[in-house]
Amino acid sequence: NAGVTQTPKFRILKIGQSMTLQCTQDMNHNYMYWYRQDPGMGLKLIYYSVGAGITDKGEVPNGYNVSRSTTEDFPLRLELAAPSQTSVYFCASSYPDTGANEKLFFGSGTQLSVL
Amino acid sequence: GQQVMQIPQYQHVQEGEDFTTYCNSSTTLSNIQWYKQRPGGHPVFLIQLVKSGEVKKQKRLTFQFGEAKKNSSLHITATQTTDVGTYFCAGRETSYDKVIFGPGTSLSVIP
Repeated sequence: NAGVTQTPKFRILKIGQSMTLQCTQDMNHNYMYWYRQDPGMGLKLIYYSVGAGITDKGEVPNGYNVSRSTTEDFPLRLELAAPSQTSVYFCASSYPDTGANEKLFFGSGTQLSVL
Repeated sequence: GQQVMQIPQYQHVQEGEDFTTYCNSSTTLSNIQWYKQRPGGHPVFLIQLVKSGEVKKQKRLTFQFGEAKKNSSLHITATQTTDVGTYFCAGRETSYDKVIFGPGTSLSVIP
């Protein structure tokens, strides 16, 4: 059981480049999330999804896009990379039975630098 | 929008001393969760509290959820070097689906 898998683990982008951070989970979780964590800081919610075809903005959505075409995959797209998007990005998923057991499972993260 | 705050931001303790971190939400929560993140790692789930006034224990860790379901605390008795890391609370606001994290409390334990 792989859990939540994120790729790539590291990436360096030039300003203005685009990229997609991949996230897939094999636990049949309906809920998926993207967070960013700046050095020494907490986690900020970028986007989340409560099921295939449904996405919504979190606290810091500007500069990002997401899609959820399947239950397993929740890719995060950066269209025009900016230095302010240098961060560690975590994908997470949780049980569909919200409220009863809300445990978030995290991927190992993607460290992104925009230079 | 919903805001989750934590204090203190940092805490340095001598091994064997107790440690407490406090979490406050600007809105009522349907549940609160606690996570631990080791340096260079990802957050790992510790516990979830759902009921008003709920208290749960895990060995040396005690978690409380406030009566108004807007605050919570994590207390560690007799800290050990294995407790080092950042402790985050995370709350789901009632009627909303997103889970918002607090800024975390970074714990250092001096042997």
